[in-house]
Amino acid sequence: GAGVSQSPSNKVTEKGKDVELRCDPISGHTALYWYRQSLGQGLEFLIYFQGNSAPDKSGLPSDRFSAERTGGSVSTLTIQRTQQEDSAVYLCASIVGTGTNANTGELFFGEGSRLTVL
Amino acid sequence: GIQVEQSPPDLILQEGANSTLRCNFSDSVNNLQWFHQNPWGQLINLFYIPSGTKQNGRLSATTVATERYSLLYISSSQTTDSGVYFCAVVNTGKLIFGQGTTLQVKP
Repeated sequence: GAGVSQSPSNKVTEKGKDVELRCDPISGHTALYWYRQSLGQGLEFLIYFQGNSAPDKSGLPSDRFSAERTGGSVSTLTIQRTQQEDSAVYLCASIVGTGTNANTGELFFGEGSRLTVL
Repeated sequence: GIQVEQSPPDLILQEGANSTLRCNFSDSVNNLQWFHQNPWGQLINLFYIPSGTKQNGRLSATTVATERYSLLYISSSQTTDSGVYFCAVVNTGKLIFGQGTTLQVKP
């Protein structure tokens, strides 16, 4: 696609439910990043993918969070048994990347998925 | 891990004024970008500038990688420049963001 696309744009859920957030990166971009931004805060790194593999999952807050990427394209971030502290905007970004280097080129962000856990 | 520090944390300007935002980082990097997050939360790419100087209209940026800092210059500020300015650097694979500079431009 022309830009990074994220869905849903807004999600309201009840505590304890599972949610899935989707990211469709720019066509041809091999690297994909997930970040979280709580209200009034900076961007917190969650995970990045180079192709379908995730070299760095160190930012995932707990084992309730998982992410996958298939076909080197779409990625899904899943949060199980949501808690109120999971409420935030989840941002996805993609970058050209080359070979084993996930960091080549300019990073482009989607518009985010706003998650509210009641 | 690498530390990214931005200064000042907050800045209030009168429309038409100039300003300089700074980004310091604690280790070598091979990628650096500046972003503007507008009041609606959208992240807008300003500069991809791992080294050197670039200009785009009223904005310009300089990165001195050997001294581990980058500067963002805003000239003749406008109210639409308000928002949060982030720098982000790559080190050991991750793109790490500073905490941002919140800019308010008053008419």
